[in-house]
Amino acid sequence: GDSVTQMEGPVTLSEEAFLTINCTYTATGYPSLFWYVQYPGEGLQLLLKATKADDKGSNKGFEATYRKETTSFHLEKGSVQVSDSAVYFCALTPGGGNKLTFGTGTQLKVEL
Amino acid sequence: GAGVSQSPSNKVTEKGKDVELRCDPISGHTALYWYRQSLGQGLEFLIYFQGNSAPDKSGLPSDRFSAERTGGSVSTLTIQRTQQEDSAVYLCASSLVGLNTEAFFGQGTRLTVV
Repeated sequence: GDSVTQMEGPVTLSEEAFLTINCTYTATGYPSLFWYVQYPGEGLQLLLKATKADDKGSNKGFEATYRKETTSFHLEKGSVQVSDSAVYFCALTPGGGNKLTFGTGTQLKVEL
Repeated sequence: GAGVSQSPSNKVTEKGKDVELRCDPISGHTALYWYRQSLGQGLEFLIYFQGNSAPDKSGLPSDRFSAERTGGSVSTLTIQRTQQEDSAVYLCASSLVGLNTEAFFGQGTRLTVV
């Protein structure tokens, strides 16, 4: 079945550091890929998405590129802020479907 | 409503009791999901409703868990004879049916079985 693997946390960075959170997937066909974020005390919300190979999703300074050849969708940000501290979840939906499959989440803590 | 609403927000129950968790999806969303979030376990898929199709129940962990969706709107997740390992945050999400649509999540119900 479909699955998502993401790097384990917690990840602790200093403000303005570069962020990469790795995500790889296993799926048949052509899935759509998502990053969701859960800020402390808040519900899950969509951060960005990409629906086909080589697409780049971006939002709030975060980016992720859909790499079919490496089945990856790594999340990056050039300069993190304290307000980016949250849990980040990589997810996919199968081609032609809606069922979301999530990774285990990566906690990010950004310190001054 | 403006978003996905779940109730109660917190539930403490004694081991062996039954509980019902409610989810009110965004109006017009025909896809509805239940997930469980346990500490250190990430998001575990439980069940998925899509329109009038038979639900995908493949994630329900045991026959103590069941869910229904009445009138294509409100959903109830029922856990019978609760066990301590059922303690978790239960999340509901809804979305439009279609490719690449965003799922909107509720705030969750924190269930504690004592």
